[in-house]
Amino acid sequence: AQTVTQSQPEMSVQEAETVTLSCTYDTSESDYYLFWYKQPPSRQMILVIRQEAYKQQNATENRFSVNFQKAAKSFSLKISDSQLGDAAMYFCAYRRGYGNKLVFGAGTILRVKS
Amino acid sequence: GAGVSQTPSNKVTEKGKYVELRCDPISGHTALYWYRQSLGQGPEFLIYFQGTGAADDSGLPNDRFFAVRPEGSVSTLKIQRTERGDSAVYLCASSATGTVNTEAFFGQGTRLTVV
Repeated sequence: AQTVTQSQPEMSVQEAETVTLSCTYDTSESDYYLFWYKQPPSRQMILVIRQEAYKQQNATENRFSVNFQKAAKSFSLKISDSQLGDAAMYFCAYRRGYGNKLVFGAGTILRVKS
Repeated sequence: GAGVSQTPSNKVTEKGKYVELRCDPISGHTALYWYRQSLGQGPEFLIYFQGTGAADDSGLPNDRFFAVRPEGSVSTLKIQRTERGDSAVYLCASSATGTVNTEAFFGQGTRLTVV
């Protein structure tokens, strides 16, 4: 079974600074997708960024980028120029290439200080 | 609808009672998912529908949990003989198809509290 581990229960960052959230995963599959979701207090999960395992290039979405290390099974999220609105719970998630369900990590609370 | 809608937003019930949680997916989305998120944890998969049929119900914890999607749109998650351990946020998501290239959109969840 696939597992996703987020080892940082909580992180803090100063507004306008950069922060990196860690995620590791375990799978025997070669075809899969990785995701970072943001969950604000409203509870609605919002997709931040996704990475296809077959792509070597790291995904980027504006201030959000990932460092995907396939051999190490590591998938970290970097948030640049942090904003107060970035404060939320962040979840790393995995999905098999031909699967449908997401496997989530336990989450990291991100606090942004002004 | 514009987004995935879940009702009620919050539900408090007594141990042993029956509850129904409703999910109204984005119009036209054929795939629908239910997840359960316990306090301080990530969501855990419960069941996946493709159209009207449950394509994968491997995440349902026991036979007290059941879900239906009779017309391929709205889905209802039903929990019988609720227990305090069932207290959690129940999240619903939908996607245009069940394939990996389509994004899943989540609702705001129903927070179930069993007292």
